[in-house]
Parts: sequence; C-alpha cells; structure tokens
Amino acid sequence: NAGVTQTPKFQVLKTGQSMTLQCAQDMNHNSMYWYRQDPGMGLRLIYYSASEGTTDKGEVPNGYNVSRLNKREFSLRLESAAPSQTSVYFCASSEGIPGYFGDGTRLSIL
Amino acid sequence: QKEVEQNSGPLSVPEGAIASLNCTYSDRGSQSFFWYRQYSGKSPELIMFIYSNGDKEDGRFTAQLNKASQYVSLLIRDSQPSDSATYLCAVHYGGSQGNLIFGKGTKLSVKP
Repeated sequence: NAGVTQTPKFQVLKTGQSMTLQCAQDMNHNSMYWYRQDPGMGLRLIYYSASEGTTDKGEVPNGYNVSRLNKREFSLRLESAAPSQTSVYFCASSEGIPGYFGDGTRLSIL
Repeated sequence: QKEVEQNSGPLSVPEGAIASLNCTYSDRGSQSFFWYRQYSGKSPELIMFIYSNGDKEDGRFTAQLNKASQYVSLLIRDSQPSDSATYLCAVHYGGSQGNLIFGKGTKLSVKP
C-alpha cells in the first residue's frame, strides 16, 4: 500500500529551467494538495484540487502551475525556476483536511 | 491576515513527563484544529483533530481547545524519546479546504 508517492525525491535545477513534480495517491481520495516547507516558515499551500477537474490557488501560487490529470495524479510544474523556489515540496491527499503526505521532493535551484 | 502562532522551542522534557505544546490563532471564526507530528527529514503526519471546546483524548495524546481564548494545546503524557519531533498546529478557518493555516511548529525533545 503506497499511499502518496512523489517523484523525484531530490532535484537540482539551474535558474530558468523547468520541471514537473509528480504526485500519485492510491487511496481514492478526492482532494489533493501541494505544499512547500521552508526553514522557519512552516507549511504553505501552493495549490489544491478538491476533486478531479478542479484546481484552486493557495497562499503562494506565483511561479507554479498544476494539473489534476485524473483522480490519482496531481502534478506541480515550475515553468522558469528561481532560487526563491528552493524548498521541500510535499503533496498530500485526503477526503477533507490533508491527512496523508508524500515523502517530499527536495528541490534546489542554483 | 490569519495567523497561527507556536513557540518554536526546542521544548525539552524528561522521559515519562507530560509535554505541553501550545498554539494560538488570530481568526475568531476558526472552526477546526489539527495537530501534525513531523520527524526530522520526514513528512507531516496527522495525529489529532478537535472541533469543540474542551478536551479530546486519544491514547497518550490530549488536545485541548478554548475558542474564547483562541488557544489550542496538545498534551503528551508519559513522553517517550520516540515522541521527539516537531509538532505543527494547523487551523481551518472555514469555507474551502484550502483555508488551512499551519503554524511554524514546536520542536520537542524527550530526554531519556
């Protein structure tokens, strides 16, 4: 039982490069979330999807796009990476408040 | 701006003692309250939630809510070294599921 699976686990990018973080859940949850966690800043919501086909902005959406590909998958895209996007990114899923988190993606932008 | 405040710690308690973790929130209309545990280098794990004033117990954990004082706490009885982690308080202030604000967390260290 995998739960919430994020790929990749680590990534180093150069400023201006693009990449997509992948997230998949096998718990048949309707809701999925993308958070970033920075030292001293706590968890901040980037985007969330309450159900397949819907997405909404969170607290810090600038510089990111998302796609809810189907009920299982919710991807996060950085179109032009910036050093300020260096962070740990967590995907979560639930039937309400985020209850299940993936292991995280540690992303460094040089 | 809606805020959730926690003392960053570290809070150090001896094994077997009661650890008390505190959280205050700014929005009086907040409706539900959550505690997550996060071990170093790991992802957050939801451990408790509380919606009504008073206490809610689950094993060694007790969540306490006082909406009049805008205060929520987590008590850990008989603390164990395995409880050493950062504890995140989160407050949902109603409406969409995205309206969940996290505190910055309190680091707890339980000494053997």
